[in-house]
Amino acid sequence: GAGVSQSPSNKVTEKGKDVELRCDPISGHTALYWYRQRLGQGLEFLIYFQGNSAPDKSGLPSDRFSAERTGGSVSTLTIQRTQQEDSAVYLCASSLEIQGGPNYRAFFGQGTRLTVV
Amino acid sequence: GEDVEQSLFLSVREGDSSVINCTYTDSSSTYLYWYKQEPGAGLQLLTYIFSNMDMKQDQRLTVLLNKKDKHLSLRIADTQTGDSAIYFCAWWEAPGSARQLTFGSGTQLTVLP
Repeated sequence: GAGVSQSPSNKVTEKGKDVELRCDPISGHTALYWYRQRLGQGLEFLIYFQGNSAPDKSGLPSDRFSAERTGGSVSTLTIQRTQQEDSAVYLCASSLEIQGGPNYRAFFGQGTRLTVV
Repeated sequence: GEDVEQSLFLSVREGDSSVINCTYTDSSSTYLYWYKQEPGAGLQLLTYIFSNMDMKQDQRLTVLLNKKDKHLSLRIADTQTGDSAIYFCAWWEAPGSARQLTFGSGTQLTVLP
């Protein structure tokens, strides 16, 4: 597609339920990132996928969080047994991993606003 | 690890210049970036600077990079109400074998009429 697409744009869930957030990156972008942005705060790195390499999961806050990227394209971020502190905007970004090249930058989706009640 | 410092808030009058600052403690990034986030929207890349440059001008935007002091700034000339947003500096970090885009905490710019 023309840009990074995320769905749903808004999600309200009950505490304890599982949620899945979807990211469809720009076609051909090999790198994909998930970030979390709590209200009034900066971006918190969650996980990074690069091609077929093992993902960098160092930012995942707990084992309730997991992410997959199938076929090197679409990614799903899953949060199990959601808690109220999981409420945030979850942003996905993709990039062309060409070091030193002019396209070496990230393009962001609009985000999924997750509210846990 | 690395820390980034950005002033949280900045208010300017319409037509004045705005200067948003970012200080970082460690970077091997080839590029450094400024992103803009408008209310309820995702992040939009505003401009970037190559790490061997001191200055880059892009229409109303001027980016200054002082590598010695690890200081990055964004100047917006003739600031308009449409410039009201949160501005994030960002760069690529390579902790271990991974690379990740690291962001400052953001500066909320309010443009007063």
